[in-house]
Amino acid sequence: EAGVAQSPRYKIIEKRQSVAFWCNPISGHATLYWYQQILGQGPKLLIQFQNNGVVDDSQLPKDRFSAERLKGVDSTLKIQPAKLEDSAVYLCASSQTPQETQYFGPGTRLLVL
Amino acid sequence: GEDVEQSLFLSVREGDSSVINCTYTDSSSTYLYWYKQEPGAGLQLLTYIFSNMDMKQDQRLTVLLNKKDKHLSLRIADTQTGDSAIYFCAESMDSGYALNFGKGTSLLVTP
Repeated sequence: EAGVAQSPRYKIIEKRQSVAFWCNPISGHATLYWYQQILGQGPKLLIQFQNNGVVDDSQLPKDRFSAERLKGVDSTLKIQPAKLEDSAVYLCASSQTPQETQYFGPGTRLLVL
Repeated sequence: GEDVEQSLFLSVREGDSSVINCTYTDSSSTYLYWYKQEPGAGLQLLTYIFSNMDMKQDQRLTVLLNKKDKHLSLRIADTQTGDSAIYFCAESMDSGYALNFGKGTSLLVTP
């Protein structure tokens, strides 16, 4: 079974630029999560989708972050404009249902200069 | 969410047992998880325990849960150098079941 795929693996941008990350969950997984992991900390939830609907985006900085999962499969996370403090690893995870185990992708490492 | 607490660092000798401790926040958490993160890699699920269990054993891993004290521990028997990594404790939160992670414990296994 293929795991959660993410791209790109690394991205370096300057502050105020825009960036987008892509996630392809495990086939058949209806629930998709985006987490932000700042260096030295545990992952923090940004947004949770159930199929193509948003379950929880209370921790998403909506003035600059947006995410979508239009067809209920792949998802994109966008930052516009980026700030220095957005430097982090962005992890995508998926599960069959919200109650079941989450499986994580390798993450996208973002460095904002 | 509130903080899940873990000690930040643990060093053990190869062949010894490692015990990583965690204090979680939500007494209604359904599942509690241990994830492993190696340098430059994503999170790998190691094991999990359902909240109505006290203990779970899976090969070299033993998870102990004390619901009264909201304390979770992970014991790794016969620790190997390949076990060196960061270990995250996580609880599933009430709404939506998203995970609330601790800051991670860095385990260093020396020969």
